[in-house]
Amino acid sequence: DQQVKQNSPSLSVQEGRISILNCDYTNSMFDYFLWYKKYPAEGPTFLISISSIKDKNEDGRFTVFLNKSAKHLSLHIVPSQPGDSAVYFCAASGGNSGGSNYKLTFGKGTLLTVNP
Amino acid sequence: GAVVSQHPSWVICKSGTSVKIECRSLDFQATTMFWYRQFPKQSLMLMATSNEGSKATYEQGVEKDKFLINHASLTLSTLTVTSAHPEDSSFYICSASRTRLSYEQYFGPGTRLTVT
Repeated sequence: DQQVKQNSPSLSVQEGRISILNCDYTNSMFDYFLWYKKYPAEGPTFLISISSIKDKNEDGRFTVFLNKSAKHLSLHIVPSQPGDSAVYFCAASGGNSGGSNYKLTFGKGTLLTVNP
Repeated sequence: GAVVSQHPSWVICKSGTSVKIECRSLDFQATTMFWYRQFPKQSLMLMATSNEGSKATYEQGVEKDKFLINHASLTLSTLTVTSAHPEDSSFYICSASRTRLSYEQYFGPGTRLTVT
């Protein structure tokens, strides 16, 4: 039972254009969402996050949109650069449950390739 | 910054032996550390959560006697794979967060374990 789904295993865009990476979730208890970028044989690097009380968060070239009713979020990268080529993971957290840790549930990732 | 290191970055061991992987937070104190496992083209699967000074909490299906986790200080957690088998071959990644109530985790670079 995959609670966080990234249905596109790969995406290819031209340099300078917009990259849109999508993520869907099924657990309505999730209240915080994060995007991570990962290069091969390296650990994920935090990119941007959004709380469920917001519908948009922007940081430079990266913007995350959250549609709670659709249980959908997306990461927009504009303009895309060749250095953005990596695997992007969507992650979600259900918050503090009786003092437990803020565990993250990850999607399978989307491989983004930005062509020069 | 929030830098997390792992050692070793890769290890090859023989079936039946034990392997210890270290995870260190270099420039902050990590109240909580997480251990993940990643198979090729799959998402990061949480194995266990450890809070400094407490016993680790293992996810369902993860054998606690096989994957021993110790979090003895605020900057170090270790994962020991005991009596390793070829099916334990995987990419193991740790992450650390500053507090138990933090959504944001900082990931190490990962350890590639190959059991022959």
